[in-house]
Amino acid sequence: QKEVEQNSGPLSVPEGAIASLNCTYSDRGSQSFFWYRQYSGKSPELIMFIYSNGDKEDGRFTAQLNKASQYVSLLIRDSQPSDSATYLCAVLYSSASKIIFGSGTRLSIRP
Amino acid sequence: DTEVTQTPKHLVMGMTNKKSLKCEQHMGHRAMYWYKQKAKKPPELMFVYSYEKLSINESVPSRFSPECPNSSLLNLHLHALQPEDSALYLCASSQEAFGGQPQHFGDGTRLSIL
Repeated sequence: QKEVEQNSGPLSVPEGAIASLNCTYSDRGSQSFFWYRQYSGKSPELIMFIYSNGDKEDGRFTAQLNKASQYVSLLIRDSQPSDSATYLCAVLYSSASKIIFGSGTRLSIRP
Repeated sequence: DTEVTQTPKHLVMGMTNKKSLKCEQHMGHRAMYWYKQKAKKPPELMFVYSYEKLSINESVPSRFSPECPNSSLLNLHLHALQPEDSALYLCASSQEAFGGQPQHFGDGTRLSIL
């Protein structure tokens, strides 16, 4: 089992719809969770971070965390073509004291 | 623009060359990181500095030598690299190394080994 798992995609979503990106992790002791957006050829850009169970909203982005199910997700409302990118889920592993990245989900917003 | 600045943006070097990558942050962060990223793969941790001391070395070959001259600067010295070392090298920083705060990345240095 991979430490942080994401569906590699591509995930194709029509413009204006909600894009839902999912991530599962294996370390039950993890406390910190991050979503990064990475455009092709660019560096990762922090989009959201979440520490507590439930939802956290920032503009069009909502991060959802369920520690019991070891599941974290990112919702993007009113998807725009500029949201087309690879989204990396990252988890701070308590056992290793370092961030583990998922392999990323490629999101494509079609006009 | 990111608050973590990396230079140079691009670097082409031969296998016998010696070069250095530089990273600077002025956010008062006490942890700095080097990552390597190959195409279509996630970033791969190389080194972690906490309060200017090397905390984690992910079994990186000795041809990569990190240095942290002060809390704002991080260097990566390169010597006798191999073609497979061609990649995007990312620097990141965070408030603390193991406090769970987010890491902020620089724009990266795209390295090509001839």
